[in-house]
Amino acid sequence: GEDVEQSLFLSVREGDSSVINCTYTDSSSTYLYWYKQEPGAGLQLLTYIFSNMDMKQDQRLTVLLNKKDKHLSLRIADTQTGDSAIYFCAESITSGYALNFGKGTSLLVTP
Amino acid sequence: GAVVSQHPSWVICKSGTSVKIECRSLDFQATTMFWYRQFPKQSLMLMATSNEGSKATYEQGVEKDKFLINHASLTLSTLTVTSAHPEDSSFYICSAPRDRDRGIQYFGAGTRLSVL
Repeated sequence: GEDVEQSLFLSVREGDSSVINCTYTDSSSTYLYWYKQEPGAGLQLLTYIFSNMDMKQDQRLTVLLNKKDKHLSLRIADTQTGDSAIYFCAESITSGYALNFGKGTSLLVTP
Repeated sequence: GAVVSQHPSWVICKSGTSVKIECRSLDFQATTMFWYRQFPKQSLMLMATSNEGSKATYEQGVEKDKFLINHASLTLSTLTVTSAHPEDSSFYICSAPRDRDRGIQYFGAGTRLSVL
């Protein structure tokens, strides 16, 4: 499928905010997701946003979607060491379709 | 809690043997499930779409005779890696869309396959 691009690595200090960015190229994408993967584990759905939304907030997580620029971001407020993981951005044309993943952003939270 | 269960979580086998991986939707029916493969420090690549009641749809470059998929029921899909070789060693993950969540995809915990 089309490429989903993410920066590969991000390091933040505990308590700071983290912002992970993603760009996608398929303008027909309807669903955009953020998944978290801890070492050796499967994917945990963090949050998702539909293409008719600009923003979604869920506790410490804020997702921003700029459809014009095909840019998606995930902001984690008050980042904790337990947030250290790989974060994948993914897109889907419609519900029930397979996902097209980015390469993942490795987030390291230091004390 | 988990809504998609995947077993086994880790399997080590000898070259030439076959390994079966199960993916179950726990509290919903899934007529479609997806199988992905993940290499170390890489993204997830879609291998195939498992369809209940019909043949699986394989992505380009994935050998259907090598990776057998059977969608046995509305809650179970299996992936069998036949005549496994060391290059088949990887992390395999399944997912299923849950209709009542507007088709949001839920993933299993993954299966790490090591072929000696």
